[in-house]
Amino acid sequence: NFMLTQPHSVSESPGKTVTISCTRSSGSIASNYVQWYQQRPGSSPTTVIYEDDQRPSGVPDRFSGSIDSSSNSASLTISGLKTEDEADYYCQSYDSSNAVFGGGTQLTVL
Amino acid sequence: QVQLVESGGGVVQPGGSLRLSCAASGFTFSTYSMHWVRQAPGKGLEWVAFIRYDESNKYYADSVKGRFTISRDNSKNTLYLQMNSLRAEDTAVYYCAKDPRSYSNSWRVDYWGQGTLVTVSS
Repeated sequence: NFMLTQPHSVSESPGKTVTISCTRSSGSIASNYVQWYQQRPGSSPTTVIYEDDQRPSGVPDRFSGSIDSSSNSASLTISGLKTEDEADYYCQSYDSSNAVFGGGTQLTVL
Repeated sequence: QVQLVESGGGVVQPGGSLRLSCAASGFTFSTYSMHWVRQAPGKGLEWVAFIRYDESNKYYADSVKGRFTISRDNSKNTLYLQMNSLRAEDTAVYYCAKDPRSYSNSWRVDYWGQGTLVTVSS
């Protein structure tokens, strides 16, 4: 099984842009889609990006996803930060018989 | 609208058993694969188990393999997780989660339940 490594926390000011990374330990990041979930305190997770770079309906276009094969990582970028974006963010991918979540990144908007 | 409602959580002693249920509505349950995902207090998300829409495949995290069993009753629109030989490290909120692809699986989640808390303690 592989692991997905995320920074424990990031912080940025309202209106700025932040990028959260997710690095795959083995196997190619491009071999299986990456999803990103947002979880606010006390709530269930919701999807903000699926299949590397797709946004579900209702998710603002301030959220974008990408993958970089050279660093074997995926990234979630949030532009025009709002205080409501403050949450935990988890990347997730899979192989033939397992789903794997990253450890999560706590985003603080201050 | 899609609804997933978990039940069956509670306090259980180490070595004990518990069965979680997830009542699904708002979609054709029998055509969608399902997952259980858990979250220990103050910790991150951990995938636990997967069951294909037709029960033809079931997969488990190494941490629960041999102790947990995922199943479903498509006639009752219900997903289950039988948990045996429970340990303190199984203490978590357990989420029922729906895969978005019908008659297949995409290994991702589009809908989550509200979760049910399982506490393993003497």
